[in-house]
Amino acid sequence: SVLLYQKPNRDICQSGTSLKIQCVADSQVVSMFWYQQFQEQSLMLMATANEGSEATYESGFTKDKFPISRPNLTFSTLTVNNARPGDSSIYFCSSRQGGANTEVFFGKGTRLTVV
Amino acid sequence: GDSVTQTEGLVTVTEGLPVKLNCTYQTTYLTIAFFWYVQYLNEAPQVLLRSSTDNKRTEHQGFHATLHKSSSSFHLQKSSAQLSDSALYYCALKAGGADRLTFGKGTQLIIQP
Repeated sequence: SVLLYQKPNRDICQSGTSLKIQCVADSQVVSMFWYQQFQEQSLMLMATANEGSEATYESGFTKDKFPISRPNLTFSTLTVNNARPGDSSIYFCSSRQGGANTEVFFGKGTRLTVV
Repeated sequence: GDSVTQTEGLVTVTEGLPVKLNCTYQTTYLTIAFFWYVQYLNEAPQVLLRSSTDNKRTEHQGFHATLHKSSSSFHLQKSSAQLSDSALYYCALKAGGADRLTFGKGTQLIIQP
């Protein structure tokens, strides 16, 4: 398994500001994924981040709004730019270790509230 | 695109009785892997079961599921519910060679005494 540590656990920020969320894995992983979860809703994949290359974003998510860095095989950051109340949700980083059909592990999430 | 359907948003079961959470999917890929994730309050989702083999029963922690490609289903079952089973349950599909997981909307399971 892979252990993923996120910080902060939660944050409150003002509209228009930016927030950075960090994710650290306890071992090297090829791909890291970022998911968004609104309250009482499902998890939506935002982007896939591989070391040394630009993140691949899913429909509805852009690098201008949610830039992601992946400087090495154990670390990734997600930034929420120009935060709006509609961005208030939980953000999870995730990864897998092993082949294509192995399970994906999740960090504990960052609960963001934009006021 | 791929889709996963969990028909029940909320399931309430009395302790000791059986539980069944439904999950069906749509995909054009032949190679798939399926997962059930459980998410406890304020915790991260964690894998409960996984399967990529048609008609093979998978079991873990008293729960079981069988992937049926003929009916595009991967229902989660348990013969006797426990209070500690109360949580949010997601089924998730991984199709083809893609890394992405497609999640269902989740089913909140409440076990009452």
